[in-house]
Amino acid sequence: DAGVIQSPRHEVTEMGQEVTLRCKPISGHDYLFWYRQTMMRGLELLIYFNNNVPIDDSGMPEDRFSAKMPNASFSTLKIQPSEPRDSAVYFCASRQGAGYTFGSGTRLTVV
Amino acid sequence: QKEVEQDPGPLSVPEGAIVSLNCTYSNSAFQYFMWYRQYSRKGPELLMYTYSSGNKEDGRFTAQVDKSSKYISLFIRDSQPSDSATYLCAMGDSGGSNYKLTFGKGTLLTVNP
Repeated sequence: DAGVIQSPRHEVTEMGQEVTLRCKPISGHDYLFWYRQTMMRGLELLIYFNNNVPIDDSGMPEDRFSAKMPNASFSTLKIQPSEPRDSAVYFCASRQGAGYTFGSGTRLTVV
Repeated sequence: QKEVEQDPGPLSVPEGAIVSLNCTYSNSAFQYFMWYRQYSRKGPELLMYTYSSGNKEDGRFTAQVDKSSKYISLFIRDSQPSDSATYLCAMGDSGGSNYKLTFGKGTLLTVNP
């Protein structure tokens, strides 16, 4: 298995632009999580899905953030409009059972 | 008080040393305890997993959970330069199958040859 695949690996965008991050979970994993990691706050859970249905989005910081999971093999996290304080590494993770498997992350820089 | 507290370090040790990493937590509902290792510019990877209290050993790594003290530890014996990474503790409650993990901020470990 190729693991959890995220794209792009790096994204540099200007403030106000729309940013879309993508994730392909491991086949057969029924949970998908989006995390954001910064030095100051560590890993923060943004939203998670079970069988493609959003279960808890209480970690989404603002209405500028939205996430979708149209099918079991694909999810997106969208930021519109982006702001410099959104700069962070965004991780997608999937799980079946107890442990999570993380992707390699998308490093987002908003200038 | 944050749900999970972890000393960020950094921690620097010589090769071969025994390393002790720790986390404390406040949520008594936590039942699942994990340690993740994160190399620079990579995603976290699961290292150890323990359910409820007790010890678990895997090679050079030992995880301990003391629920009465709300304290978990990871010990690394005969540390190697390849162990240099950030170590994150993570915990989850037993709220059905819809549990989610809460992570510590991580401790940066450097093992010097």
